[in-house]
Amino acid sequence: ILNVEQSPQSLHVQEGDSTNFTCSFPSSNFYALHWYRWETAKSPEALFVMTLNGDEKKKGRISATLNTKEGYSYLYIKGSQPEDSATYLCAFYNNAGNMLTFGGGTRLMVKP
Amino acid sequence: DTEVTQTPKHLVMGMTNKKSLKCEQHMGHRAMYWYKQKAKKPPELMFVYSYEKLSINESVPSRFSPECPNSSLLNLHLHALQPEDSALYLCASSPGPLQGAFFGQGTRLTVV
Repeated sequence: ILNVEQSPQSLHVQEGDSTNFTCSFPSSNFYALHWYRWETAKSPEALFVMTLNGDEKKKGRISATLNTKEGYSYLYIKGSQPEDSATYLCAFYNNAGNMLTFGGGTRLMVKP
Repeated sequence: DTEVTQTPKHLVMGMTNKKSLKCEQHMGHRAMYWYKQKAKKPPELMFVYSYEKLSINESVPSRFSPECPNSSLLNLHLHALQPEDSALYLCASSPGPLQGAFFGQGTRLTVV
């Protein structure tokens, strides 16, 4: 069983605040790390796929970094908006490459 | 077509019933997944099909029986389920670990 952990479990912020949360994963047998956004009543939607140590990806106000040696990834949201409210899931692929294991998610709520 | 379609959206079944969940994608993805998600928990991997063959069965009870009749379809046959099997069942497909997976909206299953 692969241990993928996310913290915090939930987060309440005010509109305009910047925030970040963490995904930790096994540093051995790493292949890829995914981030997904899961809004209520919708399907999880892929945000980023990261493979290289030190990689940084950006999509609008959301960015992510990856440290494969120590086994963590950070997701940052700059200037949070109410529409950013969702559960953010990270998922880990080991080097067998066929099993996507999810962390517990961070539930973000942005108050107007 | 970048959708994964799951039917039905909701299902209520008795413990002696036999029912099936269906998942369909036309993106040519060769990996398809079934996940089970209980409230406030991360999606939990049940089965992985790769090139229409079952490649991973995460110790799922035999009352859940997957089937992949062709590269676009994935079924989950249900028989003699228990109330604790009530959950959201998510289907996903993926072109590979270096690209994000696509998820259906899930089937909300209630076993009575």
